[in-house]
Amino acid sequence: DIQMTQSPSSLSASVGDRVTITCRASQGISNYLAWFQQKPGRAPKPLIYAASFLQSGVPSKFSGSGSGTDFTLTISSLQPEDFATYYCQQYNSYPRTFGQGTKVEIK
Amino acid sequence: EVQLVESGGGLVQPGGSLRLSCAASGFTFSAHYMDWVRQAPGKGLEWVGRIRNKANSYTTEYAASVKGRFTISRDDSKNSLSLQMNSLKTEDTAVYYCTRVGCTAGLCYDLAYWGQGTLVTVSS
Repeated sequence: DIQMTQSPSSLSASVGDRVTITCRASQGISNYLAWFQQKPGRAPKPLIYAASFLQSGVPSKFSGSGSGTDFTLTISSLQPEDFATYYCQQYNSYPRTFGQGTKVEIK
Repeated sequence: EVQLVESGGGLVQPGGSLRLSCAASGFTFSAHYMDWVRQAPGKGLEWVGRIRNKANSYTTEYAASVKGRFTISRDDSKNSLSLQMNSLKTEDTAVYYCTRVGCTAGLCYDLAYWGQGTLVTVSS
């Protein structure tokens, strides 16, 4: 199975900050990587697919990059509605696997 | 608008069985691969399994943690997805989400659409 490791596991940031979350795959997954945002009590919301393509309706402050084993999710200017937990997921092979999540909290 | 609505969750004893359903609307259900994803209370996301479409013989994939105990099926005539869960364990306690694969400009990707989830609690 492919292990997905996110870092950090949590971070504290202020409104307006630029935030970067990293995701590392235990083996190469090309660009078969997605990012999700989840708020408490809600279903995850897809943000990015194919490592860098924004889902329809997702604001351009979110961006993704990477290929192979190393990926990043960047939020260019953190807003109050962005405080949530973020997950990466590989869909290169079965079983599909997720990172453990990164909780973004208010400083 | 794509809608996925899960039902069938509840409290079940260890060793018991439960069947979850997902009612799909707003798209051509028969054309799409469908997945189940779960989330234990306070924990991260875990992929449970997939069923492909008729063109791909309704083949399935499962996570090792559920293989042999869970069965994914679909009824294209009713736009319905099911998850039959047998030999349930306390560690199967989770919110179960029904999801759909998405495709944009020929690029397909997992988990593009999600239901609201249904809670399964396995406890004596």
